[in-house]
Amino acid sequence: DAGVIQSPRHEVTEMGQEVTLRCKPISGHDYLFWYRQTMMRGLELLIYFNNNVPIDDSGMPEDRFSAKMPNASFSTLKIQPSEPRDSAVYFCASSFTGRGRNQETQYFGPGTRLLVL
Amino acid sequence: GDSVTQMEGPVTLSEEACLTINCTYTATGYPSLFWYVQYPGEGLQLLLKATKADDKGSNKGFEATYRKETTSFHLEKGSVQVSDSAVYFCALSPTGGGNKLTFGTGTQLKVEL
Repeated sequence: DAGVIQSPRHEVTEMGQEVTLRCKPISGHDYLFWYRQTMMRGLELLIYFNNNVPIDDSGMPEDRFSAKMPNASFSTLKIQPSEPRDSAVYFCASSFTGRGRNQETQYFGPGTRLLVL
Repeated sequence: GDSVTQMEGPVTLSEEACLTINCTYTATGYPSLFWYVQYPGEGLQLLLKATKADDKGSNKGFEATYRKETTSFHLEKGSVQVSDSAVYFCALSPTGGGNKLTFGTGTQLKVEL
C-alpha cells in the first residue's frame, strides 16, 4: 500500500493568495483527519471526516480555512486568502473502524510544508 | 475532557543509555493508548499501542505498559541509539472509539555518541 499521499510536499506563496492542499487516504479507510503543526502551537487537529462527512471542524482557525472530501479517496484543505501566520506543516491522516488490531490507528502522510511570505 | 500530559523536552542521552518518557492521561472509561514517533522532516508514525489495562505494547526495543491505576503509559527503552533521535507523542483514543486521537505535546529525544 502506498500509504497516505499528500501534495504538494512544499508550497511557497505570497500573502493573499489561495492555497490548496491535497490528500489521498489509504484505500478502505473511513476516517480522514487534517492537522497543523507549528513550533509555537504543536500539533493541532483542524477537522476530521467520517465516510466523507465532516464530523468536527471546531479546530479550523478561521473562515479563511475550508476543507472538503468529495469522495472516499480525496480531500482538500483550502486557505483563502493566506497569511504569513498560516505557515506550518499540514498533515493528513486516515484510519478505519471495524475489527482488527490496527483499527483506531491513524496513518499519517508526509506533510505539506507551507510558507506564506 | 480527555487530555494527555507528557514530560517536557528536550531529553538528551548518550548512546546505550536507558530511556523513560513519562505520559499520563485523563479520560473516562477505558481509552486505547498510543505512542507515535516523528523523525525529522517526516510525518508521525505509530510506534506502539495498548488497548486495555495491563497490556504492554512493544516495538523496535521500545515498551510501554497501560497502567489503569496510575493512568499512565510511560515509554521505555533499555539502550537508545543515535537513530532513535526524534519527537515522541503520547496519545489516547476515547472509549467508544470515534477514531479521534488526543495527543500530548511531544517530547524531543536527542541521542549523542
